[in-house]
Amino acid sequence: QKEVEQDPGPLSVPEGAIVSLNCTYSNSAFQYFMWYRQYSRKGPELLMYTYSSGNKEDGRFTAQVDKSSKYISLFIRDSQPSDSATYLCAMSAGSWGKLQFGAGTQVVVTP
Amino acid sequence: DAGVTQSPTHLIKTRGQQVTLRCSPKSGHDTVSWYQQALGQGPQFIFQYYEEEERQRGNFPDRFSGHQFPNYSSELNVNALLLGDSALYLCASNTEGASGKETQYFGPGTRLLVL
Repeated sequence: QKEVEQDPGPLSVPEGAIVSLNCTYSNSAFQYFMWYRQYSRKGPELLMYTYSSGNKEDGRFTAQVDKSSKYISLFIRDSQPSDSATYLCAMSAGSWGKLQFGAGTQVVVTP
Repeated sequence: DAGVTQSPTHLIKTRGQQVTLRCSPKSGHDTVSWYQQALGQGPQFIFQYYEEEERQRGNFPDRFSGHQFPNYSSELNVNALLLGDSALYLCASNTEGASGKETQYFGPGTRLLVL
């Protein structure tokens, strides 16, 4: 069993819809939770960074962490075609130390 | 600010050869991490360097080695290349003790193909 599980998709949504992404994990030592966006043949770009449990909002993005369930989510409101990318969840026990990534979910936003 | 830069962008090698990949961290960053991303997978942590020392290591064989220079730039060396080493190799940099506000940045990666 992988430490971080993420549905690979693809997830196709119409423009303007809410995109809902999630990951589950097994290692209770994880304290830092991140979401990255990766366009084809590019490096990952950090979208959201959360420490411990709770919600965090940044513009159209909302990240949620439920440590009791070992479950994290990312919501993208008012999705745009430019949001079409692969979204990776990542987590670590010690901030910017060894990050454990999910496999990534491919998202396609259709006009 | 150029951000994290990596060279070369693409590389083709044959099995058994050796390869060196290079990374220059974002200005002001002193910590460099290397990741391997196979096609359709998430990045896998190889190792992290700080103050020219390997500080953390992932589950990779000794064929993978690295170095950090006094100017904080870093190299990743892979010996005795296998077909399975074909991947996108990513470098990420941050400052030591960085919190969430002091973000870690990834470079564009080096795409290695082993034939």
